Amino acid sequence: AQSVSQHNHHVILSEAASLELGCNYSYGGTVNLFWYVQYPGQHLQLLLKYFSGDPLVKGIKGFEAEFIKSKFSFNLRKPSVQWSDTAEYFCAVNYNQGGKLIFGQGTELSVKP
Amino acid sequence: GAGVSQTPSNKVTEKGKYVELRCDPISGHTALYWYRQSLGQGPEFLIYFQGTGAADDSGLPNDRFFAVRPEGSVSTLKIQRTERGDSAVYLCASSLRQGGTEAFFGQGTRLTVV
Repeated sequence: AQSVSQHNHHVILSEAASLELGCNYSYGGTVNLFWYVQYPGQHLQLLLKYFSGDPLVKGIKGFEAEFIKSKFSFNLRKPSVQWSDTAEYFCAVNYNQGGKLIFGQGTELSVKP
Repeated sequence: GAGVSQTPSNKVTEKGKYVELRCDPISGHTALYWYRQSLGQGPEFLIYFQGTGAADDSGLPNDRFFAVRPEGSVSTLKIQRTERGDSAVYLCASSLRQGGTEAFFGQGTRLTVV
C-alpha cells in the first residue's frame, strides 16, 4: 500500500540549531514529493516540491530537501532554524501523476528562542 | 478570491444531523480535493474532482459521505447521519490540474459532532 512515514513526531530545537526531518515513502511507481508547513492557526502552505531533475531542491525560507531514490527518502533540512519556524511539517507524496496526495503523520517543530 | 475559501470555518452539529461543507477553489483550477485531518494526524484523502466529475472517491469512508461539484468550480461535501467519529478538520485544496502540480489548501472547516 502507498504510505508515507515521518520519523519524528515532535522535535524541539534551540534557535540556530540545524534541522533534519525524515520522510520515507513506500514504493508505488513514479513520485512527486512535497513538504508542506502549517504555522499555528494558518492553512497548509507549500515549502518545496520535487518533480524531476536535481534531487536537491530548495524551497522558501531557507529550507531544502534531498530526494534519495534508492532510500525512498525525501528529508527536509535547514542549517539554522529560527523561532518563527515553529510549526507542523508534513511530507506528502503523489504517485504516478494521480490526483491525491498521501501525507505523513506530521512532525511538530518547536524552536526555543 | 486569491486563495481557497472554505465555509463555515467551524460547525457544531448534533449526532445524527446532516451537514454540508463548502469549498470555493482558486479561479481556473480544474482539480479540487477534499481531505480530512484528525488531531495529531496528517491529512487523509477523501475525494478529488477533475472538472465536474469525481475522478477518485476511494477515500470516502462510507456512503454517509458524498461530494458534488456541479459546475466545475464550487464543491460541497455532504455528510449524512453524522457520528461523533466524523469530528475533524475538513480541508479543501485545488490545483491547476491533477498530479504534478502544487495543491493550494484552504483554512479548513472544523466539524464537531456532539
